[in-house]
Amino acid sequence: EVQLVESGGGLVQPGGSLRLSCAASGFTFSSRWMCWVRQAPGKGLVWVSRLNTDGTTTGYADSVKGRFTISRDNAKNTLYLQMNSLRAEDTAVYYCATDLSGPGEYWGQGTLVTVSS
Amino acid sequence: QSALTQPPSASGSPGQSVTISCTGTSSDVGGYNYVSWHQQHPGKAPKLMIYEVSKRPSGVPDRFSGSKSGNTASLTVSGLQAEDEADYYCSSYTGSDKFVFGTGTTVTVL
Repeated sequence: EVQLVESGGGLVQPGGSLRLSCAASGFTFSSRWMCWVRQAPGKGLVWVSRLNTDGTTTGYADSVKGRFTISRDNAKNTLYLQMNSLRAEDTAVYYCATDLSGPGEYWGQGTLVTVSS
Repeated sequence: QSALTQPPSASGSPGQSVTISCTGTSSDVGGYNYVSWHQQHPGKAPKLMIYEVSKRPSGVPDRFSGSKSGNTASLTVSGLQAEDEADYYCSSYTGSDKFVFGTGTTVTVL
């Protein structure tokens, strides 16, 4: 059974940092592009970032470029999102997903990030 | 990276068809055949229904179909069922390893 389990969310002050993790199982993680998508409370989906299989090719939404860094550890079957200089508008549920020419067929359950003082 | 434009709502009776549009530009929808559609029920993670404009992942009923003409992509749900009531989002590649989602459409089964 394919599983993607996000962790690392929580409450952080504006300007702070968080690192999200996404543990993958049930498929060959190292052969799949991966991505992060977020959804603010009551709002729509927003694409955040993507990463290729060996971690050498990345893409970021303009709203997070320079503040967020996507990475992966194929030995640990884990995807990461390092989030720095967090702002109130970064408050959202963050989902990791496989990337199949775009956000793909497997999604995690999401982890909530709240940026507030 | 402006969101793709979708109608806020769409509806149909059981058994009928509903079509949702997703309008972008020549820099996203019109420029690439990398349009996807996701279904999201309240409180749940999104589910991929269509990828690369018209391909269905394994397990998605053939009642769901996708197409594209120019800068507008469409998702058609035929033979509407109660469980199809959900939010639907399109997404498109925009170049340089970036994607953008649509504004979302709430489908109501009357």
